[in-house]
Amino acid sequence: TQLLEQSPQFLSIQEGENLTVYCNSSSVFSSLQWYRQEPGEGPVLLVTVVTGGEVKKLKRLTFQFGDARKDSSLHITAAQPGDTGLYLCAGYTSGTYKYIFGTGTRLKVLA
Amino acid sequence: NAGVTQTPKFQVLKTGQSMTLQCAQDMNHNSMYWYRQDPGMGLRLIYYSASEGTTDKGEVPNGYNVSRLNKREFSLRLESAAPSQTSVYFCASSDSWMDGNTIYFGEGSWLTVV
Repeated sequence: TQLLEQSPQFLSIQEGENLTVYCNSSSVFSSLQWYRQEPGEGPVLLVTVVTGGEVKKLKRLTFQFGDARKDSSLHITAAQPGDTGLYLCAGYTSGTYKYIFGTGTRLKVLA
Repeated sequence: NAGVTQTPKFQVLKTGQSMTLQCAQDMNHNSMYWYRQDPGMGLRLIYYSASEGTTDKGEVPNGYNVSRLNKREFSLRLESAAPSQTSVYFCASSDSWMDGNTIYFGEGSWLTVV
């Protein structure tokens, strides 16, 4: 069974601080995605990384795929209250036809 | 744009009752999924349908059945509900098997089994 472990599980920080969320697995993935989920809604895609070592930036968010394609990180610079939400990573392996989601990191940014 | 629509949004069941969660997508996607979300456990795949006419078990299929009625619709049935099935259920769809393809989610169905 493929597992994706995220850390930390919960994070509460002040506005303006930086943070990093980790997504780790013992399995190799063809691609890895990050989603953000607001209360009462379904997850929404933030980014997809495909190549080992790939780094993508989305405004203040920086995503990195590990060289071995087993792990990923999400770094937020100067967090804002609007970043509050549940962050989920999801791994896809070619030929499995399914996405496996991580355990989630619940972020709260205080004004 | 409707995207992925699932019904009902809220449901309370008694132990042993049956019910069907309905899901429809209007994006002409080939693949559809049912996930459940529990606190601290992220999203766990119950069943998925790679394409019309096929269904396969995910991580936690026990106690559930699915039907891919046509390309648009994918339903999830609880034959005899148990309190352990209290959860938020999400239907989702995606376009193809290409790496990095986006999954689009419905708004969720809150199910409580008492």
